[in-house]
Amino acid sequence: QKEVEQDPGPLSVPEGAIVSLNCTYSNSAFQYFMWYRQYSRKGPELLMYTYSSGNKEDGRFTAQVDKSSKYISLFIRDSQPSDSATYLCAMSEGATGFQKLVFGTGTRLLVSP
Amino acid sequence: DTAVSQTPKYLVTQMGNDKSIKCEQNLGHDTMYWYKQDSKKFLKIMFSYNNKELIINETVPNRFSPKSPDKAHLNLHINSLELGDSAVYFCASSQVTGNTIYFGEGSWLTVV
Repeated sequence: QKEVEQDPGPLSVPEGAIVSLNCTYSNSAFQYFMWYRQYSRKGPELLMYTYSSGNKEDGRFTAQVDKSSKYISLFIRDSQPSDSATYLCAMSEGATGFQKLVFGTGTRLLVSP
Repeated sequence: DTAVSQTPKYLVTQMGNDKSIKCEQNLGHDTMYWYKQDSKKFLKIMFSYNNKELIINETVPNRFSPKSPDKAHLNLHINSLELGDSAVYFCASSQVTGNTIYFGEGSWLTVV
């Protein structure tokens, strides 16, 4: 069993839809949770960062962490065709430089106009 | 200016060859990384360096040898390339206590 599980998709939605992306994990020591977006032939870029449990909102994006269920989510409101990309969840036990960041396999999102 | 730049972007080479990928960051970060992304898009850390010192080595074969001449550069040298080494290799950087890792655009390595 992988430490971080993520549905690879693809997830296809029409423009304007609310998108829900999820990851589950097995390591209860994870404290830092991130979502990265990766466009085709590009490197991942950080979208959202959350420490421990709770919600965080940034524009159309909301990240949720439920440590009791070992479950994290990313919601995208009013999805746009430009949101079409692969979304990777990532998590670590501690400070970025000394603790490895463990990634999910990514969910490919397709938003059609 | 590109924050994390790596060269070459594409590399096709034969089995058994030795190749290097270079990486430079101009963000003033003290920590640099190499990640490998396989054909199934799984991204996994290989190495991390803090101020030129190796911090994380994720059981990577010793055919892979990172070299950090200074904290702005982290190169990856691969000896005796194998078919299974075909992947996308991402260089990245961050502050050691930071929460954001900045990735380069990747180097597509194909071993034939």
